[in-house]
Amino acid sequence: EVQLVESGGGLIQPGGSLRLSCAASGFTVISNYMSWVRQAPGKGLEWVSIVYSGGSSYYADSVKGRFTISRDNFKNALYLQMNSLRAEDTAVYYCARGQPLTHWGQGTLVTVSS
Amino acid sequence: DIQMTQSPSSLSASVGDRVTITCRASQGISNYLAWYQQKPGKVPKLLIYAASTLQSGVPSRFSGSGSGTDFTLTISSLQPEDVATYYCQKYNTAPFTFGPGTKVDIK
Repeated sequence: EVQLVESGGGLIQPGGSLRLSCAASGFTVISNYMSWVRQAPGKGLEWVSIVYSGGSSYYADSVKGRFTISRDNFKNALYLQMNSLRAEDTAVYYCARGQPLTHWGQGTLVTVSS
Repeated sequence: DIQMTQSPSSLSASVGDRVTITCRASQGISNYLAWYQQKPGKVPKLLIYAASTLQSGVPSRFSGSGSGTDFTLTISSLQPEDVATYYCQKYNTAPFTFGPGTKVDIK
C-alpha cells in the first residue's frame, strides 16, 4: 500500500529556515515524479515543486531561489528545504506522488510568524 | 506561464441534479488536465486525469471532457457525499498550476 507521511512543520519566524520530510512506503521515491503542494489556510491548492525520476526539478515562481526539493534513496524520502521564509509561506504542505498527483500525504502545517 | 481559471467559483444544487464545472487554460494544454476533489478537512483526491479518464475507484457519475483550452467536469447526479471543492490542474509542463477551485454545496 502506498503511504506518504510528512513531518517537520511548525512555527518559524520570518526569515527562518525549515526542512520538511516525506517518508514514503509501498513504492520507490527515486523512480517516481514527486511533488510538494501547499494550501494556505482557507485558500486553494498551490503547486510548489516537482522532482522527476531523472533528477530534474522545477519550482513555482513564488518559491524559486528559496526552496529546494531533494530525495534520499536509502531512506526512500522526499524533502523540501525552505529558506528565507515569509508570512505568505504559511500553509499546509503536502507531498504527493506522480503527475497527475495520484497519492497524497496528510500534510504538515508550516506557520511563519513572529 | 499558463493560467487556469474555473467557473463558477461556487454552486449550490439539489441531490440528483446534474452539475457542470468549467476549467479554462490560457493556452492549449492538449489533454494534460486533471481534476481533484477535496472534501472539507480532507486531503485532495485525484478524480480524473488526461481530461476524461476516471481514476480507479471513482464513481461513474463523475466524468470529464475537453481538450486544448476548455475542459468540463460533470457530476451526473449530485450526491450528499459530493460536497467538496473541485480543482483542475494542468500537468503538461511546469509550473503545474491549479485552478482556483469550485465549491459545491447541497441546496
